Order: sequence, then structure tokens, then C-alpha cells
Amino acid sequence: GDSVTQKEGLVTLTEGLPVMLNCTYQTIYSNAFLFWYVHYLNESPRLLLKSSTDNKRTEHQGFHATLHKSSSSFHLQKSSAQLSDSALYYCALITPGTGSNRLTFGKGTKFSLIP
Amino acid sequence: DMKVTQMPRYLIKRMGENVLLECGQDMSHETMYWYRQDPGLGLQLIYISYDVDSNSEGDIPKGYRVSRKKREHFSLILDSAKTNQTSVYFCASSPRDKYAEQFFGPGTRLTVL
Repeated sequence: GDSVTQKEGLVTLTEGLPVMLNCTYQTIYSNAFLFWYVHYLNESPRLLLKSSTDNKRTEHQGFHATLHKSSSSFHLQKSSAQLSDSALYYCALITPGTGSNRLTFGKGTKFSLIP
Repeated sequence: DMKVTQMPRYLIKRMGENVLLECGQDMSHETMYWYRQDPGLGLQLIYISYDVDSNSEGDIPKGYRVSRKKREHFSLILDSAKTNQTSVYFCASSPRDKYAEQFFGPGTRLTVL
């Protein structure tokens, strides 16, 4: 079945530095749809950005990600991380093979900023 | 104002007691979900509902059941709760469109003693 791997469970950085949160996926389908959801403390998880187009950069709220189907990756990046970016980040996948709206989530990466 | 609500927000129960978690949405979304969130495991799908009385098991349905009698309400029931069901439970909803965004509720923190 489909799977999503977020290899870092915790990323800790000093404010102002660039960040990349890794996401790779496995699926037999070529038309996968990838998502990043963000969960701030004491809030509801919400969509950050999504993409299904190969090699096209998608941006939202200062974050960006590019879906690379050749390497099955959808890494989340930001050029200068801020304290307010501290949160839990989930990468997720939908493919037509599921026949439903089911998202396959990665285990999440907790992103913590140091002032 | 588009919203997913969950009640209660916090709940403490003893092992063996029954638990009812309730979720509502005001967006007329066809699809609703129940997840649990545990450290290191992320969001795990318990059940998905495609509409009234059209429910399917997710990845971890054992020990849970659901009820959806109205499109805007989706309940999660734990019959005889176990200590390993201590978790944070999230409800979500989305339109029927396959690649649509899921909207999450604020979560219910359940502790089973």
C-alpha cells in the first residue's frame, strides 16, 4: 500500500536559519497528490500547501515545496525560520488507487525554534 | 464561519467505562473522519464516513465504533474503554472531492485511568 516517510521526528533550529523538513513517499500510482498539514500547539491541524504537479514549486505563508516524482519527494522548506513556525508538520498523500478521500499521513516532524 | 466542533474537549474516564465523543460541522461536507494522535505515531485514521450511515473502517478501528445519522454530526464510541485508548482524538471533514482539504476540529484529550 501507499506510505509516507518523514525521517526526522524532531528538528531543532536557531531562528533565522533555513529549514527543510523531509518527506518521501511510496505508491504505485503516477498521479499522487501530496499535502503538508501544520499543527500549532492548542490549535487544529490545518492545510499548509498541496501539489500534484511534477517539478512545480508551491508556496504558502513563506513555506515552499516542490513535488519531485522522480525521487518521490515533497520536502518542505523555508528560507528563514521564525519562532512562530514551531509546530508539528505532517506530510500526507492521496492517490487514485484508494478510491476514497483517505489521506496517508507520515508520522510527523516536530519543528522547534530556538531564539 | 466554517467550523468543525468537538465535544467534550477534555475527558477522564475509568477503564471499562463507555465513552462518547461528538463532532459537528457546519459546511455540509459529505465526508467525515476520526483520527487519534499519539507522539511518534502521528495521525492515525480510525473511521471514515462518506455520508449518513455510510461508514468504513480506517487503519485502527479495533475497539471503536461510529455513528452518523445526520450529515453534520459524527460520533465516536468506545465501548468499555481501555487505558491504551488514552490519546488526543481529532475529527475532520471534507467535501466529496477526492483531493479536497480536510478541516480539523480542536481535538478531544481523552484519559482512561
